[in-house]
Amino acid sequence: QKEVEQNSGPLSVPEGAIASLNCTYSDRVSQSFFWYRQYSGKSPELIMSIYSNGDKEDGRFTAQLNKASQYVSLLIRDSQPSDSATYLCAVKIPLGGSEKLVFGKGTKLTVNP
Amino acid sequence: SAVISQKPSRDICQRGTSLTIQCQVDSQVTMMFWYRQQPGQSLTLIATANQGSEATYESGFVIDKFPISRPNLTFSTLTVSNMSPEDSSIYLCSGSRGALNTQYFGPGTRLTVL
Repeated sequence: QKEVEQNSGPLSVPEGAIASLNCTYSDRVSQSFFWYRQYSGKSPELIMSIYSNGDKEDGRFTAQLNKASQYVSLLIRDSQPSDSATYLCAVKIPLGGSEKLVFGKGTKLTVNP
Repeated sequence: SAVISQKPSRDICQRGTSLTIQCQVDSQVTMMFWYRQQPGQSLTLIATANQGSEATYESGFVIDKFPISRPNLTFSTLTVSNMSPEDSSIYLCSGSRGALNTQYFGPGTRLTVL
């Protein structure tokens, strides 16, 4: 079973709509979860982190975490063409005395004007 | 966030040669990592760069192929040795900072091996 799974998409939404991106993970001990945005040809950029069950809002972005269901999502309200990118879900997993970040394959989002 | 720079930003290399990529981070960074992103794929962790000691490699990556140094807190290098076309990828350096060790990424090095 893959550690972090995302729908690869592509996901296409009209401008102004809500884009919903989903991610599931397999390691129950994971405590930290991240969403990165990656524009084509660029490196990943952190947009949200979440550690507690529930919702966390930052501007047009809302991250949702449900540890019981091992599920984390990202909602983008009032989607803009500039939101068109690949969104990577990342989960921090304990590794011996340290920890590592495991990434999903990413969901490609296109926002149509 | 963190200030992270990498060089070169891109290179085209011949099969059998080696390339060393440099990564410089700001002083707030604690841990440094090297990732590979193959075309159309997500990020795969190569290793954690440890200051003054051998890097910690992930399964599938070995020191002979990807030697890593971190001589001080803010600088690390990754060498891709004896390259083949399969090594064509984007190589990304990341640094973590803060109480929760949030990772931030450098701009990446796009490597093409002919």
